[in-house]
Amino acid sequence: QKEVEQNSGPLSVPEGAIASLNCTYSDRGSQSFFWYRQYSGKSPELIMFIYSNGDKEDGRFTAQLNKASQYVSLLIRDSQPSDSATYLCAGVPDYKLSFGAGTTVTVRA
Amino acid sequence: GAGVSQSPSNKVTEKGKDVELRCDPISGHTALYWYRQSLGQGLEFLIYFQGNSAPDKSGLPSDRFSAERTGGSVSTLTIQRTQQEDSAVYLCASSLAEGAFFGQGTRLTVV
Repeated sequence: QKEVEQNSGPLSVPEGAIASLNCTYSDRGSQSFFWYRQYSGKSPELIMFIYSNGDKEDGRFTAQLNKASQYVSLLIRDSQPSDSATYLCAGVPDYKLSFGAGTTVTVRA
Repeated sequence: GAGVSQSPSNKVTEKGKDVELRCDPISGHTALYWYRQSLGQGLEFLIYFQGNSAPDKSGLPSDRFSAERTGGSVSTLTIQRTQQEDSAVYLCASSLAEGAFFGQGTRLTVV
């Protein structure tokens, strides 16, 4: 089992809608989680990190962490065409940054 | 500089030649990671450094791949006797606590 799993396939949402991305992890000892955005042909860019149970909001982005259920999610509100990218979830099991496979989001104008 | 710097940005090499890829991490970052990304694929973990030591090198694809880090700073990834399947973007990231920051990558093409 991979340490961090992103199982959802490509996501297409209309402009202005909410995009919801999910990630599960296997190591209960993991404390920190991160969301990265990667545009085609570019390097991943850190957009959110979360350590505590609950929600963390930053502009149009909200990260959610549920340690009991071992999942992390990212909500993108008022989605814009510029949000079209691949979003990568990452955790730090055993002090090593581990990435999920990523979810590609397309925002339709 | 303020960010992670990788060099060269692009490298075209002939099959069988050796290549060295360099990563200058953000100053003070103790953790350093190398990943590989083929076109349209996810991040493939190669190796992780904490300071100058490599607690996890499980992702190195073969013994043709090696990496070192000196002075807790600069890291070099060396690929010997390159093969066409080594063609990819090689990404370096450095980290302290609140997430890792990536360099712009080195695009390696083996012809």
